[in-house]
Amino acid sequence: KAGVTQTPRYLIKTRGQQVTLSCSPISGHRSVSWYQQTPGQGLQFLFEYFSETQRNKGNFPGRFSGRQFSNSRSEMNVSTLELGDSALYLCASSFTTGDGYTFGSGTRLTVV
Amino acid sequence: AQTVTQSQPEMSVQEAETVTLSCTYDTSENNYYLFWYKQPPSRQMILVIRQEAYKQQNATENRFSVNFQKAAKSFSLKISDSQLGDTAMYFCAFMLTMGFQKLVFGTGTRLLVSP
Repeated sequence: KAGVTQTPRYLIKTRGQQVTLSCSPISGHRSVSWYQQTPGQGLQFLFEYFSETQRNKGNFPGRFSGRQFSNSRSEMNVSTLELGDSALYLCASSFTTGDGYTFGSGTRLTVV
Repeated sequence: AQTVTQSQPEMSVQEAETVTLSCTYDTSENNYYLFWYKQPPSRQMILVIRQEAYKQQNATENRFSVNFQKAAKSFSLKISDSQLGDTAMYFCAFMLTMGFQKLVFGTGTRLLVSP
């Protein structure tokens, strides 16, 4: 079966711009989460969505937002990009609580 | 707040040998899940093994097994018969499930398997 698909794989943006990242979870998975990975901060939780509802959000500024559609696909948006937003953004999905997430290959965002 | 500590930034092992990666965590909750994830250079995070805190039996998946000590809040990963393909970053992660799911990751251990 298809895994978690994230697009695009790589992205280069300029400071001040905004960006939208996309994630298609495994079919049947309703929980979708996003994580930011940087060398300095490691892996940090951004948000979790379940059946189109944001259930939890990490400690990130309001420039980071997301949503989930009725088909469980999710997008995250970062507005007014800063250099520090350069990171690997990972999306993950799971079928049920405690299953263990299946991760996508990530989107590498570079802000210049 | 929950925290996960991996005290070994890097480890090396030779092919066919056994290696143990350490992980400790801190929580006041009683019901939770623990995971080990592997992240090879391809960067995709792969679930290696999963442990439910209410199960005393240690989880095993082929060459991978854990030593789960709930009272000590310790969750180490043992890799037997190490293979070159085991070379990767290994992350220990903790998950509470309280109406939402959120993984808290350790800082990772870089494992190098050499011939």
